[in-house]
Amino acid sequence: SYVLTQPPSVSVAPGETARISCGGNNIGSKSVHWFQQRPGQAPVVVISYDSDRPSGIPDRFSGSNSGNTATLTIRRVEAGDEADYHCQVWDTNTDHTMFGGGTKLTVL
Amino acid sequence: QVQLQESGPGLVKSSETLSLNCTVSGAFARSVNNYWSWIRQPPGKGLEWIGYIYDSGSTNYNPSLKSRVSMSLDTPKNQFSLRLSSVTAADTAVYYCAKGFDLLDSWGQGTLVTVSS
Repeated sequence: SYVLTQPPSVSVAPGETARISCGGNNIGSKSVHWFQQRPGQAPVVVISYDSDRPSGIPDRFSGSNSGNTATLTIRRVEAGDEADYHCQVWDTNTDHTMFGGGTKLTVL
Repeated sequence: QVQLQESGPGLVKSSETLSLNCTVSGAFARSVNNYWSWIRQPPGKGLEWIGYIYDSGSTNYNPSLKSRVSMSLDTPKNQFSLRLSSVTAADTAVYYCAKGFDLLDSWGQGTLVTVSS
């Protein structure tokens, strides 16, 4: 099955830039979606189809996808961005949805 | 626009069957081209896709759970359902229903199901 690999944790100071990676074999050929999940809450889409930002998501959030790595970038990080972030793809070969293991973003 | 709400027992005994419903408002469960998914999250762990049901009633399940999972639609009630048989402690998780299967763009709030021995 297709495997997505995320770092367990990323730490960043307020105002700095956080980059969260999602690795997978030739992931650049797939569409990647990113979810933010605050404690006790359901996941919320922050980036869809590699780099699209849903309405209501600040433009500080952006995404890219190439080769074997997709990246979620959060600029000018705020305390309120502290959450778990999950990447997700639909594997067209198996018609299955896959999630990465999730990354805990800590704002120092 | 679409709201989803999970419902069902919060406690299930080991070896029994877990049954959950998801009520959809703001859209009809069997409107054209809608997929409806179930995802779960064990305490302190990541998300796991369980499967989806399409508006035609066709289904697709995670291979790791396929032998124990079934999903169904109840159009008059605007609901879709999950059944997971022969549960063990490893099935203890927050269970979410969501709209879509590629992009899961709307989620329920989730419901914790604990499997007890």
